[in-house]
Amino acid sequence: RKEVEQDPGPFNVPEGATVAFNCTYSNSASQSFFWYRQDCRKEPKLLMSVYSSGNEDGRFTAQLNRASQYISLLIRDSKLSDSATYLCVVTDLSGGYNKLIFGAGTRLAVHP
Amino acid sequence: DAMVIQNPRYQVTQFGKPVTLSCSQTLNHNVMYWYQQKSSQAPKLLFHYYDKDFNNEADTPDNFQSRRPNTSFCFLDIRSPGLGDAAMYLCATSRPRTGPTEAFFGQGTRLTVV
Repeated sequence: RKEVEQDPGPFNVPEGATVAFNCTYSNSASQSFFWYRQDCRKEPKLLMSVYSSGNEDGRFTAQLNRASQYISLLIRDSKLSDSATYLCVVTDLSGGYNKLIFGAGTRLAVHP
Repeated sequence: DAMVIQNPRYQVTQFGKPVTLSCSQTLNHNVMYWYQQKSSQAPKLLFHYYDKDFNNEADTPDNFQSRRPNTSFCFLDIRSPGLGDAAMYLCATSRPRTGPTEAFFGQGTRLTVV
């Protein structure tokens, strides 16, 4: 079983749509959770951290369910510029520091 | 201003010819990572440093080596590149806190092996 699993997509949605991505992780001891965005042939960039209470940043909402080892990202009112790959990232705290483990990413394509 | 800088952005090397990729950071972070990312795949951790403490992933081939002469710089050496080593190589840094802490990535070096 992969440490971090995501639906690869692609998700093809029209502008203005709401889209949700899911991610599951295998290590119950994982401490920190993130969503990164990666544009084609570019480096990953932090989109948002994911907190136990859930958190929102504009059109983006992230949720964490520790019991089910499940993370989600909701994008409302999709824009063309949201087209990218969204990477779920989980940290493995070993040796006193965070080791970041990536999912393979979910591709999103927003069309007019 | 770029905080994690990788050089070069693009590297072409011959099959079997040693190549070195470099990474520098201005963030003074303790932890530095090297990831390998192939097309449509997750970034795969090769190794990481906590200060000078080197940590190799179990499945990282011996062909890959790394050096960290000081806090700011880290190098990835590929001793005998094969065609399968063609990929994007990403350097990242982070603080060693236990709470939520993001990783900062360089722009990556895209390696082509001919």
